Amino acid sequence: DTGVSQNPRHKITKRGQNVTFRCDPISEHNRLYWYRQTLGQGPEFLTYFQNEAQLEKSRLLSDRFSAERPKGSFSTLEIQRTEQGDSAMYLCASSSEGGRNEQYFGPGTRLTVT
Amino acid sequence: KQEVTQIPAALSVPEGENLVLNCSFTDSAIYNLQWFRQDPGKGLTSLLLIQSSQREQTSGRLNASLDKSSGRSTLYIAASQPGDSATYLCAVRHAGANSKLTFGKGITLSVRP
Repeated sequence: DTGVSQNPRHKITKRGQNVTFRCDPISEHNRLYWYRQTLGQGPEFLTYFQNEAQLEKSRLLSDRFSAERPKGSFSTLEIQRTEQGDSAMYLCASSSEGGRNEQYFGPGTRLTVT
Repeated sequence: KQEVTQIPAALSVPEGENLVLNCSFTDSAIYNLQWFRQDPGKGLTSLLLIQSSQREQTSGRLNASLDKSSGRSTLYIAASQPGDSATYLCAVRHAGANSKLTFGKGITLSVRP
């Protein structure tokens, strides 16, 4: 079990560009979550998947954001027409469906929009 | 809407001190509560998870307690060490179908040698 992995770890982009992040969950976990964390704040929920189905999206997830989880394995989070306010750490977590439902987090992707 | 509060925002203690970090939440209908550690610029490491039916959980020098009816949890760290310096976040999962976590802003702990 290698844990949750995220790529890239850091991304610097110019305002208006599109960016895509990838998350690979723990292999036996069927739930996957995306959170966003800005400086000095706790992570805020963006969206979550159970297998390939996207079950909930936060109102923080504007129409410039889209997330997918094809085949219920890895997930991608795309931000179109980036804005400076999108600068944040994007965290991915995974969990199993039953039992303790403990969420395990990846190292995050730090996005800087210049 | 669930709100999670952690006060104070920062804490500095000398090495060896026992300390308590507090977390409060407004909606007692929770499924579980997790305590996390976050080092600067890094992801979150899960420390302890307490189910809603439990009162406490222990791991090494850490002990977390939960009082669901009063909406409070504490993380007790025994014999603090400089390596414990980090931000500690608590997060609650609501008892409903949605399994998202709602986080506090965290407490930044500094343990002085």
